[in-house]
Amino acid sequence: LAKTTQPISMDSYEGQEVNITCSHNNIATNDYITWYQQFPSQGPRFIIQGYKTKVTNEVASLFIPADRKSSTLSLPRVSLSDTAVYYCLVGYSGGYQKVTFGTGTKLQVIP
Amino acid sequence: EAQVTQNPRYLITVTGKKLTVTCSQNMNHEYMSWYRQDPGLGLRQIYYSMNVEVTDKGDVPEGYKVSRKEKRNFPLILESPSPNQTSLYFCASSPAGQETYEQYFGPGTRLTVT
Repeated sequence: LAKTTQPISMDSYEGQEVNITCSHNNIATNDYITWYQQFPSQGPRFIIQGYKTKVTNEVASLFIPADRKSSTLSLPRVSLSDTAVYYCLVGYSGGYQKVTFGTGTKLQVIP
Repeated sequence: EAQVTQNPRYLITVTGKKLTVTCSQNMNHEYMSWYRQDPGLGLRQIYYSMNVEVTDKGDVPEGYKVSRKEKRNFPLILESPSPNQTSLYFCASSPAGQETYEQYFGPGTRLTVT
């Protein structure tokens, strides 16, 4: 599984757009990029996944450049309830489910 | 309601006293996993299972056992718990046939071993 690197923490004011970048230099051809959100003392929650270019859903957007060595999770107009830890995962589930989460990025939204 | 349940949610025990944390999912998922979460270390996978009777080690399997006799259940067994197994534990499940890591997590079990 490809190793990922994310900032340890970020602060943002309410209403701003937040971009969290994940570096994954050793991403393999079959790997997908997946982001999870975790609130304190709760299990992680799937946010978005993508393979290349841009993916958007009702919660976030995921930008993946052509070389796929990094990806950026974009949260539009964050609110206090977006304060959480965000994890980037890279891999191809295929026939197995060995997963490495890493330490994630702690986002603090400030009023 | 589609969900992953864990029991107990909180447990305080003593060193060496065998315990089992149960995990059950009602989504007919093939894949199930156990994770532990410790401050500063993020989520680390303990064991995972690809289907009934098929399990494999994750990153931190030492001191744990699992079994998958039924598709919906994936209990985590600590045969001789030690204080370094004090942690927050999560069970997760996901369907086969997907190319992503979209897992559904349980609410967590906070274990303290004294």
